[in-house]
Amino acid sequence: DAGVIQSPRHEVTEMGQEVTLRCKPISGHNSLFWYRQTMMRGLELLIYFNNNVPIDDSGMPEDRFSAKMPNASFSTLKIQPSEPRDSAVYFCASSFNGHSYEQYFGPGTRLTVT
Amino acid sequence: KNEVEQSPQNLTAQEGEFITINCSYSVGISALHWLQQHPGGGIVSLFMLSSGKKKHGRLIATINIQEKHSSLHITASHPRDSAVYICAVGGADGLTFGKGTHLIIQP
Repeated sequence: DAGVIQSPRHEVTEMGQEVTLRCKPISGHNSLFWYRQTMMRGLELLIYFNNNVPIDDSGMPEDRFSAKMPNASFSTLKIQPSEPRDSAVYFCASSFNGHSYEQYFGPGTRLTVT
Repeated sequence: KNEVEQSPQNLTAQEGEFITINCSYSVGISALHWLQQHPGGGIVSLFMLSSGKKKHGRLIATINIQEKHSSLHITASHPRDSAVYICAVGGADGLTFGKGTHLIIQP
């Protein structure tokens, strides 16, 4: 298996622009998680989906952030408009909730907003 | 919301030393994870524990549910073990992370 795939790996954008991060979970996994990592706050859960349905989005910082999972093999995290304080590494992870809670992480997307 | 505390924050040791990293949490959990993050940034799951002890090669993880405490041990440490080790608690509803322990093993 290719593991969790994220794109792009690096994104540099200007303040005010829309940013879309993409994630393809491991085939057969039914839970998907979006995390953000910064030096100040470490790793934080933003939102997680179970069977394509958002279960908990309490970690989403504000309305500028939105996430979708239109099918079992694809999810997006969108920031509109982006701000410099959104600069971070965004990780996607997936798990096969029915058997185990072990999560498999993607390589992350490093976002820089100037 | 669970509070996760890790200690030490930074640890430098010599190759071959026995390493212990500790993790405490405030609220009962369904599982505790130990993650490893290398300088390149990728995150790898080392262990998932709900009770007792697990061993994988030179790595050992233990958890005491009553005391809400877990330890990660590395035996015969090697420079390639240098990484950030992160404790996370939770389960199917996601993870709450500790701040991580930055481990450096010097040759």
